[in-house]
This record gives sequence, C-alpha cells and structure tokens, in this order.
Amino acid sequence: AQSVTQLDSHVSVSEGTPVLLRCNYSSSYSPSLFWYVQHPNKGLQLLLKYTSAATLVKGINGFEAEFKKSETSFHLTKPSAHMSDAAEYFCVVSDQGNTPLVFGKGTRLSVIA
Amino acid sequence: EPEVTQTPSHQVTQMGQEVILRCVPISNHLYFYWYRQILGQKVEFLVSFYNNEISEKSEIFDDQFSVERPDGSNFTLKIRSTKLEDSAMYFCASSEVRGVGATKTEAFFGQGTRLTVV
Repeated sequence: AQSVTQLDSHVSVSEGTPVLLRCNYSSSYSPSLFWYVQHPNKGLQLLLKYTSAATLVKGINGFEAEFKKSETSFHLTKPSAHMSDAAEYFCVVSDQGNTPLVFGKGTRLSVIA
Repeated sequence: EPEVTQTPSHQVTQMGQEVILRCVPISNHLYFYWYRQILGQKVEFLVSFYNNEISEKSEIFDDQFSVERPDGSNFTLKIRSTKLEDSAMYFCASSEVRGVGATKTEAFFGQGTRLTVV
C-alpha cells in the first residue's frame, strides 16, 4: 500500500527566497507522484507530475521536483518565492498510475513580503 | 482551458436529509472520482467510476453513498441520510483514459463543494 508523508505542516519564507517543501513516499510498485496546489476557495491544481520518465520534473509557475528513489523522496522546490505562491501544497502518490490517489496531509506555504 | 466544475460551492443541510453534489467532468474524460477533505485532515478517496460503474471504492463509501452519471455530462454524489461527520469539502475529479491498457492520466479536480451538516 502506498503512503505519503509531508514533513512540514507549515513553511514560511520571505519573498524572493527559495522554497523547499518536503515529501517522502512509500509505494509497493513504480509510483506516479504529483504535487497539487490549492489556493483559498479554489480547486486542486496540478503543479507537476512524475511518471517514470525524467527524475527532475518541471512544473508550472517555476516549481520543480526531483524523484529520488534511493531516498523515497519527491521534494518540491522553487528558486524564488512570490507572494502568489502562498497556498496549500499536497504531495500525492499513485501506484503505477492506476490506483486511487493517496494524498499527504498538505503543507501550508506562507510568503512574507 | 477545460475544467471540472462543481455545484453548489457550499451546501448546508439538516442531519438526516439527503444531499446531491453535482459535477461536470472535462468532456473527453472517462474516469471520474469523488474525494473528500474533512477540515484539518487529509484528502481521502471515496470512489472512482468508469464505463458506467464503480471501479473502486474506499471503506468510507458505504451504503449511505451512491454515484450516478445521469446523462452525458453530469456526475453526481448522493448522500442518503447525512450525518454530522459527513461535513467536509467534497472534490470531484476526472481523468482521460489512454492506450490499450486503459491507463488513466493525471486527475483534474474541481473547486470543491463545502458540505455543512447541522
């Protein structure tokens, strides 16, 4: 069975500084991994996905994530935070892309001016 | 850009009443899902639906719940007799099906319906 651990429930960064949101996963098979973002009163928007191609995945809005099988991690990064990045971020895993998505608890990102 | 739409955005209902949450998936998608998020907790899978039948469901999806695709565009979640603990944000999602092996693509989510049971 798959599971996801998001190590930080809340991350606060200053505008213009790097963002790191941590995610570790557990999966019995080759996982598909995703990061979704949820802005207040909005739906869940896909930021990026890993599905067994390149291990460094680039997403929208300057975000990227690196799949590290040896560390079972899929951390989300962005070189320079923007105020509009403030939102809830969910790391999500699916075994082989064909089973229901399993969500982490989410990390709330705050960006300080 | 195509999107999943959900109505209503907020529903308040009395305990014991029936509610129907509505979703319009992206038009060429064939896999549909309902997830829910109780306040302060994880987003949890409820049910997936493909080819006019339930393909998977979680333990949460008991006899109180049902899903239906009443026409070519809508996908609904019905809760027959709501309980206080059904209060949550309910997300609908859809994905394409590609290839001979009918692999699902990533899921696209709606903005959610906040259900409050009083």
